[in-house]
Amino acid sequence: DAGITQSPRHKVTETGTPVTLRCHQTENHRYMYWYRQDPGHGLRLIHYSYGVKDTDKGEVSDGYSVSRSKTEDFLLTLESATSSQTSVYFCAIKGGLASNEQFFGPGTRLTVL
Amino acid sequence: QKEVEQDPGPLSVPEGAIVSLNCTYSNSAFQYFMWYRQYSRKGPELLMYTYSSGNKEDGRFTAQVDKSSKYISLFIRDSQPSDSATYLCAMSADGSARQLTFGSGTQLTVLP
Repeated sequence: DAGITQSPRHKVTETGTPVTLRCHQTENHRYMYWYRQDPGHGLRLIHYSYGVKDTDKGEVSDGYSVSRSKTEDFLLTLESATSSQTSVYFCAIKGGLASNEQFFGPGTRLTVL
Repeated sequence: QKEVEQDPGPLSVPEGAIVSLNCTYSNSAFQYFMWYRQYSRKGPELLMYTYSSGNKEDGRFTAQVDKSSKYISLFIRDSQPSDSATYLCAMSADGSARQLTFGSGTQLTVLP
């Protein structure tokens, strides 16, 4: 599982509430990613990070913000959750310099009512 | 139009069948092609990785790339119930895996 954990694994919340998802890695990798997965859309990149405090937007970044204050943690925040943000969220890391693979966490299932 | 198109299925085959999964793409800069397998309620995991055109074989799995047609395939021989999963193609312009573009995934069920 490449040492990636996500918390919480499941969350139900209400429209308009803030939500923070956490991704934690134990292997000190530089690149970390947040994706969402929805039927018919596959995996879409929300934000990614290439180092502590270094982040950039992905394809579907509107309504999401991220922070990375430590190498091992990458946080995804929904400032004011909407029903369209109901999805499964995956964190991923890119393997080391010689790696051509992204490794994925177990996912967080988020429902916004 | 999406950069990567993949038939979502679902695809259902009997055990032992040959399975063919496909993706088409529009970005001619893509040179690195991957297939990820995702079991239900799990994260995707890399199954096959190929560079440029040609075939790559790994056990019962063969990945095929035709850059001239912008078309990639994954073949599964002697399919097993344990192959039941969603298969996602992914592509990148460089080999670093810093940026991947995924297809929407094809759900496969292999019936015993």
